[in-house]
Amino acid sequence: EAGVTQFPSHSVIEKGQTVTLRCDPISGHDNLYWYRRVMGKEIKFLLHFVKESKQDESGMPNNRFLAERTGGTYSTLKVQPAELEDSGVYFCASSQGRWSYQRSGNTIYFGEGSWLTVV
Amino acid sequence: EDKVVQSPLSLVVHEGDTVTLNCSYEVTNFRSLLWYKQEKKAPTFLFMLTSSGIEKKSGRLSSILDKKELFSILNITATQTGDSAVYLCAVGVYGGATNKLIFGTGTLLAVQP
Repeated sequence: EAGVTQFPSHSVIEKGQTVTLRCDPISGHDNLYWYRRVMGKEIKFLLHFVKESKQDESGMPNNRFLAERTGGTYSTLKVQPAELEDSGVYFCASSQGRWSYQRSGNTIYFGEGSWLTVV
Repeated sequence: EDKVVQSPLSLVVHEGDTVTLNCSYEVTNFRSLLWYKQEKKAPTFLFMLTSSGIEKKSGRLSSILDKKELFSILNITATQTGDSAVYLCAVGVYGGATNKLIFGTGTLLAVQP
């Protein structure tokens, strides 16, 4: 079974430019999450999709970040315009059902992350 | 504010040693506690704990949750160099539209031959 895949794995852009990160969840997983880890900090929640709907976007830092999941399959996270403090690792994760119930199918699986450096 | 604290921040041991990693938390709407191992890139799932006092085991790894004292431990016995990684503790919170993980900063474990 293919895992959560993310693209690009690394990206270096200049301040003010735009970057779009892509995530392909595990096939059949309705729930898709974005998290990020900035230097020296813990991994933090950004938002949660259930199929194509945004369930919770309380972690999005500001309106320079836009996430979409058209058709309920893959998702994109766009940063426009990028700032220096946006540098970090952006993780995507997916789960089949609502993870909060103790069922193996509801485990959250993470991708390898997209490393973003803004210079 | 929801908070997850892991200790120690880093740990160096020799092969064959036993280690205990700690995770304490203060969150609202606790649902579960998860442990992940992160070697190079993707955090990989180890355990999900929802009930106090029930130990979960997988090979040399085991974990237990204490919901009264709000902490969990992850034990690794007979450590091997392949256990070297960052171990992440995350608490699942759930309420209304919220369904997310609160992470600690992780414990960096280095196992020397």
